Amino acid sequence: DSGVTQTPKHLITATGQRVTLRCSPRSGDLSVYWYQQSLDQGLQFLIQYYNGEERAKGNILERFSAQQFPDLHSELNLSSLELGDSALYFCASSVTSGRVREQFFGPGTRLTVL
Amino acid sequence: TQLLEQSPQFLSIQEGENLTVYCNSSSVFSSLQWYRQEPGEGPVLLVTVVTGGEVKKLKRLTFQFGDARKDSSLHITAAQPGDTGLYLCAGNINFGNEKLTFGTGTRLTIIP
Repeated sequence: DSGVTQTPKHLITATGQRVTLRCSPRSGDLSVYWYQQSLDQGLQFLIQYYNGEERAKGNILERFSAQQFPDLHSELNLSSLELGDSALYFCASSVTSGRVREQFFGPGTRLTVL
Repeated sequence: TQLLEQSPQFLSIQEGENLTVYCNSSSVFSSLQWYRQEPGEGPVLLVTVVTGGEVKKLKRLTFQFGDARKDSSLHITAAQPGDTGLYLCAGNINFGNEKLTFGTGTRLTIIP
């Protein structure tokens, strides 16, 4: 158990709909990262928040947005869903070990768009 | 363009055999991490290597970071069915950048 929690575990919805994925980082971790994992694309970095502020952006679509709240939990909002958005979505939080920030992943949310 | 290429993509071997998987790039990384992921679960961090030429051992797993910090390898001795999983390498381009770039993955199956 990494200490990172994600809800829901599974989500099934239809094209055009909007969903919200939730993540709680490990106690004391200020950074939250979101990743998308699909069969043909591997694990892709979407976005990072640090203490409520956006820190880095990756390959995140305009239909997707995220935020981090004062209690440090984060939400990833996916809208106008398409079949191709079906994937595993992971959240990670990080701790500094020496000069390196090590990331610890949650169990993921499996999104299926029908 | 994939920054980190892993090989082989798939590997299936008998229990008790040794194996090595590779993670290669044309870019220099400030640090590199190895993860193992089981189906339907999140990646689990195994090790972080930082210094060129560094070797780290975790029981039967040996991790090496290339001298030029462009490549890494994972060697498993006497593989066991519990080693089955997807092995991912991930690198940081520089210490100030926390974004991880993941490799293409090696799916390992150990046959009892």
